[in-house]
Amino acid sequence: SSELTQDPPVSVALGQTVRITCQGDSLRFYYASWYQQKSGQAPLLVMYGKNSRPSGIPDRFSGSTSGTTASLTITGAQAEDEADYYCHSRDNSGNHLYVFGPGTRVTVL
Amino acid sequence: QLQLQESGSGLVKPSQTLSLTCTVSGGSISTGDSSWSWIRQPPGKGLEWVGYIYNDGRPHYDPSLKSRVTMSVDRSKGQFSLNLTSVTAADTAVYYCARVVYISSGYYAGSNWFDAWGQGILVTVSS
Repeated sequence: SSELTQDPPVSVALGQTVRITCQGDSLRFYYASWYQQKSGQAPLLVMYGKNSRPSGIPDRFSGSTSGTTASLTITGAQAEDEADYYCHSRDNSGNHLYVFGPGTRVTVL
Repeated sequence: QLQLQESGSGLVKPSQTLSLTCTVSGGSISTGDSSWSWIRQPPGKGLEWVGYIYNDGRPHYDPSLKSRVTMSVDRSKGQFSLNLTSVTAADTAVYYCARVVYISSGYYAGSNWFDAWGQGILVTVSS
């Protein structure tokens, strides 16, 4: 399958925890990666591999995968975490294709 | 630190060809476990993968664009390029270039991520 699905928009109170998910058959075989995109900015990689954060990404961001679902958790959400979050994976059709999820808007209240 | 910068025409007429170049600096375009990708984002919409190209020039394109897309790499200039023919208003988008890093071995071999992005360039298709 070449599709990834993501949660509808979510809101989280300042300092609380939010988990957003990404579902797709390809996630049985390939890790998801996660991108944060703030208004008017380029996407920023925040999570990749099993549970790896690029340098400079706060440790309140964590990731996990179970079966066909990948999750991105923000523990102690901050105002600056308000953004659109996209997941990405490789398609498992064997055709070397990539796919993005539709994105989840996270609002910090 | 690796930096990518898109350049090209920001306005293209319908039926003509969109041409963009991404210049890589602060690192080598010939790095082994990486390839180079284009991603676009129509106004107000999500990210769309366009395609990627390995250092050796092997490309892979989104099936919906495959008949109109060509990508190439010029290692001597540290650049890679995108050509999209027969454009329509539906091709209006911010176009990003990005480096793709991937896992080359193990159960999850082939997993990949975009670890460096350009700032994006808005391309408008309009007469």
